[in-house]
Amino acid sequence: ETGVTQTPRHLVMGMTNKKSLKCEQHLGHNAMYWYKQSAKKPLELMFVYSLEERVENNSVPSRFSPECPNSSHLFLHLHTLQPEDSALYLCASSQGGGRVGKLFFGSGTQLSVL
Amino acid sequence: GQSLEQPSEVTAVEGAIVQINCTYQTSGFYGLSWYQQHDGGAPTFLSYNALDGLEETGRFSSFLSRSDSYGYLLLQELQMKDSASYFCAVSRSGGYQKVTFGTGTKLQVIP
Repeated sequence: ETGVTQTPRHLVMGMTNKKSLKCEQHLGHNAMYWYKQSAKKPLELMFVYSLEERVENNSVPSRFSPECPNSSHLFLHLHTLQPEDSALYLCASSQGGGRVGKLFFGSGTQLSVL
Repeated sequence: GQSLEQPSEVTAVEGAIVQINCTYQTSGFYGLSWYQQHDGGAPTFLSYNALDGLEETGRFSSFLSRSDSYGYLLLQELQMKDSASYFCAVSRSGGYQKVTFGTGTKLQVIP
């Protein structure tokens, strides 16, 4: 148990569906992240929220829309996805700008787009 | 941009020692982290090196040479449960943890 909880664990959706991934951290951290993990590729940083403000958006298509209503919760809203978007989506949190490279990850949502 | 290179797969015998290497190229380098991920699980933080030298945490040690842009993770007294993927990651300057990951090394421990 890392203190970061993601739901759902598995999600299958059609290309026309709209769904949301949820992440909650119980660690009192002030930064939250979305990463995408595809087979044989590095973890790709998608979005970063620091103190509830989006501070990084790594050229992610607009069909992915993040939301951070408070420092404990992070959402990733999905719509009109493509089959190549099938991957493991990982949420992480950290405490500020400390130079310790330490992220706490959730177990991820395995997404399949049909 | 940033790039990290590590071997894709390593196999080692239970009880032995294994070293997983990582070379990196990045601007604004702060330090090198290592993460472990079991199949179906979350990546978990193992260690962090900001200065040159060796950091030891139980059976795991991590080394960094900033001048060579190189580091490694050393696992001693290997156990079957150490079979997992291991990722090196670089931290860069910023107001939050700017962490970029390598492609990972899949370690298989055999009896």
